[in-house]
Parts: sequence; structure tokens; C-alpha cells
Amino acid sequence: EAEVAQSPRYKITEKSQAVAFWCDPISGHATLYWYRQILGQGPELLVQFQDESVVDDSQLPKDRFSAERLKGVDSTLKIQPAELGDSAMYLCASSWGTSRFQETQYFGPGTRLLVL
Amino acid sequence: KNEVEQSPQNLTAQEGEFITINCSYSVGISALHWLQQHPGGGIVSLFMLSSGKKKHGRLIATINIQEKHSSLHITASHPRDSAVYICAASGATNKLIFGTGTLLAVQP
Repeated sequence: EAEVAQSPRYKITEKSQAVAFWCDPISGHATLYWYRQILGQGPELLVQFQDESVVDDSQLPKDRFSAERLKGVDSTLKIQPAELGDSAMYLCASSWGTSRFQETQYFGPGTRLLVL
Repeated sequence: KNEVEQSPQNLTAQEGEFITINCSYSVGISALHWLQQHPGGGIVSLFMLSSGKKKHGRLIATINIQEKHSSLHITASHPRDSAVYICAASGATNKLIFGTGTLLAVQP
């Protein structure tokens, strides 16, 4: 069964360093989502792509976070510089169609980030 | 006040019990999702519904659009059902707004 792949699974870094996360959605899925989940809370959308275009990045802290999906397939989320408050689980999800339709989202295993 | 609220936050049940988790939302939605998250982080979508009721195995999800309320029921609960259950609302762009989750522990 096709799955959403993410790497790394775990990342420990020191504050002020740069970190990057990678996501490969299920083949053929047009929409890709990055969520951040702080311990004990529900996930929060950071950025949503339809193909290579950003649909929603209203909650992305743009002074330190960036995301790209250059060829409309895999995606990278970067934090520079990392802060202590960035410690969280970063989840990637994908769905089949365009963002106009209500569809099931398929989640990857997540990247757990710890900033020291 | 969160746009999507769940209750209870924590739930402990004995194996075989009937379980209900409730979700209320204050936003206009296109669909309501129920998801399951196991320790370690992986999230699996259980249901997406915009009206009525859906059933899959021992899981049943219902929604009342007028009251902006949804419930997830688990019949004949089993220890392997232990997980965090999260409801989420989606709007026009399929963006999910999550509740904080219900931590369910089913004891043998």
C-alpha cells in the first residue's frame, strides 16, 4: 500500500541552527500539507500546496520557516534559525485531488524535532 | 475558545465496553473527520463525513449538522483500540482544523 514518506524520523539540533525536513507524498497526489503538532495539542496547518503552488501559508512563521515543492512532487520544510519553541512533531500529509474537494488526507510518520 | 472541541480529554474503559467520544465545532464546515493517532505519531484517517452516519467494523461516526456535533462510537472495545482519537473540521480548501484529541486507554 502506498504511503507518505518523511525523513528524518527524529532530529535533535541546537537553537540557531538550520534544520530541514523532507516529505514524499503518495504518487499522484496533487495536494500536500505540512502540519506542526506540539506535545499535547492537535496538529496545526503550516502550509498547503496544490501541485507546486502554495494554497495556504497563513500560519507559517515566514521569518524563519520556508517550504517548497518545486516540481509538484516531494517537498522540503526548512527552519532557520531553530528556536526552542520549534520542538514539535512535523507531519506531512497528502490527498488525491485539488484543494477544492473534501478528501481523506494520508499522513506520514512524522519528524520529531527537539531543539536544545 | 477552540473552533473544534472534544470531550472527554481522557477516557479509560474496560475491554468490551461501549465508548463514545464527542466533538463540537463552531466553524462552518464542508466535512468532519475522525482520525486515530498511536504513540510515536502516525495518524490514520478513520472517517470523513458531511451528514448522517458511517460505520466501519466496530467504529461508528455520526454527525448532526444543525447542532454542529459529531460522535465517534466504539463497540466491544479492545486494548488495541487504545490511542488518541482526534476530530477535525475541513472547509472549502480541505484544510483540517483539529481538536486537541481524546486519549483512550482500554484495559484488559
